[in-house]
Amino acid sequence: QVQLQESGPGLVKPSQTLSLTCTVSGGSISSGGDYYWSWIRQSPGKGLEWIGYIYYSGSTYYNPSLKSRVTISVDTSRNQFSLNLSSVTAADTAVYYCARVDIPVALDAFDIWGQGTMVTVSS
Amino acid sequence: DIVMTQTPLSSPVALGQPASISCRSSQSLVHTDGNTYLSWLQQRPGQPPRLLIYKISNRFSGVPDRFSGSGAGTDFTLKISRVEAEDVGVYYCMQATQFPLTFGGGTKVEIK
Repeated sequence: QVQLQESGPGLVKPSQTLSLTCTVSGGSISSGGDYYWSWIRQSPGKGLEWIGYIYYSGSTYYNPSLKSRVTISVDTSRNQFSLNLSSVTAADTAVYYCARVDIPVALDAFDIWGQGTMVTVSS
Repeated sequence: DIVMTQTPLSSPVALGQPASISCRSSQSLVHTDGNTYLSWLQQRPGQPPRLLIYKISNRFSGVPDRFSGSGAGTDFTLKISRVEAEDVGVYYCMQATQFPLTFGGGTKVEIK
């Protein structure tokens, strides 16, 4: 079955760019165009926060609160999608999850989640 | 942004007893397509969130039938008919009707 796995640095310095990758295994990221590929983060102070998602074609939807700093991209040849968050501060310290939305089922069907990766912003 | 408010914050429940969690949205969650995109997620300790319910009341594959969702408009409820030990965790409601998608603050279910 399809699985998601986040990867990337666990420590990022303030003002730098946080870069994470989610690798999709057990299925194609571009299979039939039925999915949104999403990033969500969880911090003790703010709970769960939707960052944005991307369609296999490259169309993106971002949370306006992060839009000026976020880029989500997809690499169909590597079956991966990525998150870049620029100009990070301590407030960006969180567990970052990648997740899949099954569009034909429902826009709220976040049916598969990665295990999450902790990112700490600190000098 | 649509604000999702969950109550209670914590719910101590005896094994085998029912539990109920409320979620209220600051605006109607009825989408222009006629659907209501309100889901419930369970997060067990140390685990990522897991989809339980989507579109108010549809149980996701593999979810036990002791979990049920109901509601309409701005008021929604997740019920566990008989709490089991494996149900311990934090439960979140989430709306995907309007951008940005937003989550409730979570309700912790624990065994009394």
